[in-house]
Amino acid sequence: EVQLVESGGGLAQPGRSLRLSCAASGFNFDDHAFHWVRQAPGKGLEWVSGINQNGGGIAYADSVKGRFTISRDNAKNSLYLQMNSLRVEDTALYYCAKDFGAYIDSPDPDYWGQGTLVTVSS
Amino acid sequence: QSVLTQPPSVSAAPGQKVTISCSGSSSNIERKYVSWYQQVPGTAPKLLIYDDNKRPSGIPDRFSGSKSGTSATLGITGLQTGDEADYYCGTWDTSLSAGVFGGGTKLTVL
Repeated sequence: EVQLVESGGGLAQPGRSLRLSCAASGFNFDDHAFHWVRQAPGKGLEWVSGINQNGGGIAYADSVKGRFTISRDNAKNSLYLQMNSLRVEDTALYYCAKDFGAYIDSPDPDYWGQGTLVTVSS
Repeated sequence: QSVLTQPPSVSAAPGQKVTISCSGSSSNIERKYVSWYQQVPGTAPKLLIYDDNKRPSGIPDRFSGSKSGTSATLGITGLQTGDEADYYCGTWDTSLSAGVFGGGTKLTVL
């Protein structure tokens, strides 16, 4: 059974940092690309970042470029999102999503975690 | 303002058919595959359609996808009350070099 479990969310002050993690199981982790997608309270989905199966291709939404860094550890079956210089508008539920394929430029997230809530407030 | 445009809401009676549109441009829908997601409030999104018109295993054939030019459409036949949810289209934008979603469409089954 495919499982994606996010962790690391919480309350942070503007300008501070958080690191999200996503532990994956039930499939061959290094065969698949991954995405982080967020959803602000009462709002729609927003793609945040993606990483190819070997980590060689990475992309970010303009809203987080230069502040967030996506990475993966295929040996640990884990995905990460380092979030620096947090802003109030980064407040959202952050989902880790496994892609059907190996590359992020044809995104087909077929399994999603339950999300981890990030709240940025002073 | 989302890169992909969806109607905010659609509604239809049980047993009827509904379509949800997703309008984009030559840098996204026209040249990249489109996927569709269903999100029941309080739960994670679920992939319904990928590569414009393919259904993952377990998704009933009441759900279908199509694409023409810069627009894509999700069709749902034999509507059930359990289909009430928010529906999102998604794809890749080659100009932005980023994933993009539509703003979402709330389906009400009257």
